[in-house]
Amino acid sequence: EVQLVESGGVLVQPGGSLRLACEASGFTFTNYYMNWVRQAPGKGLQWVAIIERDGSEKLYVDSVKGRFTISRDNARNSLYLQMDSLRVEDTAVYFCAGGLGWTTEHWGQGTLVTVSP
Amino acid sequence: EILLTQSPGTLSLSPGERATLSCRASQSVTNNFLAWYQHKPGQAPRLLIYDASNRATGIPDRFSGSGSGTDFTLTISRLDPEDSAVYYCQQCAHSPLTFGQGTKVEIK
Repeated sequence: EVQLVESGGVLVQPGGSLRLACEASGFTFTNYYMNWVRQAPGKGLQWVAIIERDGSEKLYVDSVKGRFTISRDNARNSLYLQMDSLRVEDTAVYFCAGGLGWTTEHWGQGTLVTVSP
Repeated sequence: EILLTQSPGTLSLSPGERATLSCRASQSVTNNFLAWYQHKPGQAPRLLIYDASNRATGIPDRFSGSGSGTDFTLTISRLDPEDSAVYYCQQCAHSPLTFGQGTKVEIK
């Protein structure tokens, strides 16, 4: 059974930092592009970042460039999102998602990040 | 950046009826790399359709996708109460990988 389990979401102050993690199981992690997608309260889905299967290429939405860093550890079947200089508008449920191409086939349940004074 | 515009915003239909959801792109989506997802509150989004018209594994044949270039459609041929959800299109061809704003399907 495919599973993606996110962790690390908490309440943090503006300007703070946070690291999200996603543990994958039930599929060959090294074959998959991995993404972070978020959903702010009452809003739709927003793609955040994607990482190549071997970690060699990373792409980001403009609003997080220079603040967020996506990474992966293929030996641990794990995906990460380092979030720095957090803003109130980064408040969202963050989903980990993966696919054989850029289409995301498998999704986690999400972890809530709240940025508030 | 490719902008995706979904319509209508909300669709309210009875069980057994046909639902037609539209997704229009601001520029052509290369190779029709357009996906549709179903998202219910508190759950993980579920991939329904990839590459505009291919059903994902385990998706009932009531769901079908069509279209090319800039105009795409998701059709649910016979609505079931479990189809109540928000449906999103996403273009997977160009970074940033944008989503539409969603269509909410309500079952009367």
